[in-house]
Amino acid sequence: KAGVTQTPRYLIKTRGQQVTLSCSPISGHRSVSWYQQTPGQGLQFLFEYFSETQRNKGNFPGRFSGRQFSNSRSEMNVSTLELGDSALYLCASSPAPMDSPLHFGNGTRLTVT
Amino acid sequence: GDSVTQMEGPVTLSEEAFLTINCTYTATGYPSLFWYVQYPGEGLQLLLKATKADDKGSNKGFEATYRKETTSFHLEKGSVQVSDSAVYFCALLNTGNQFYFGTGTSLTVIP
Repeated sequence: KAGVTQTPRYLIKTRGQQVTLSCSPISGHRSVSWYQQTPGQGLQFLFEYFSETQRNKGNFPGRFSGRQFSNSRSEMNVSTLELGDSALYLCASSPAPMDSPLHFGNGTRLTVT
Repeated sequence: GDSVTQMEGPVTLSEEAFLTINCTYTATGYPSLFWYVQYPGEGLQLLLKATKADDKGSNKGFEATYRKETTSFHLEKGSVQVSDSAVYFCALLNTGNQFYFGTGTSLTVIP
């Protein structure tokens, strides 16, 4: 069974640009959640989707948004990038909302210059 | 709000040494508690979990006990191996169905 797939693995963007990250969950998993990982803050929850609906949102500005498609694949978008958005963005999937265990992808490393 | 605080790293140990990584939490109600591990170049994976007070989670020689009186979930292993070198994250799932993770503790085990 294929794991959680995140694309691209690496991204370099400049301030003010926008970026879209993609996540394909494990087959059969309908819940997808997103996290920002930075050295000082650890993992911080961004949002969670289940059946194309956002069920939960973390404490991030409106520049961070996401969506989920009918095949459970999810995308997150960050607009008007800032230097502080540089981080590893992780996606996790589970069969049901926040069901343990979460299965994580390897992440997308975003660098904003 | 809910939060997880874990021991700052990095931690460096010799092979066969005893490991403790401290984790304390703040949450209302009765959260579930987890340890996730991130090996170099890999995604996070669940190491162990406990869903109620006094439960002990265990896996691969690692153990952690859910202590409600001290709001702690410390990770222990009696004899670490080089292959245990990784970053360890303590996490809670609160009653609102939201995960909170600690900042991670990097462990390096030297032969």
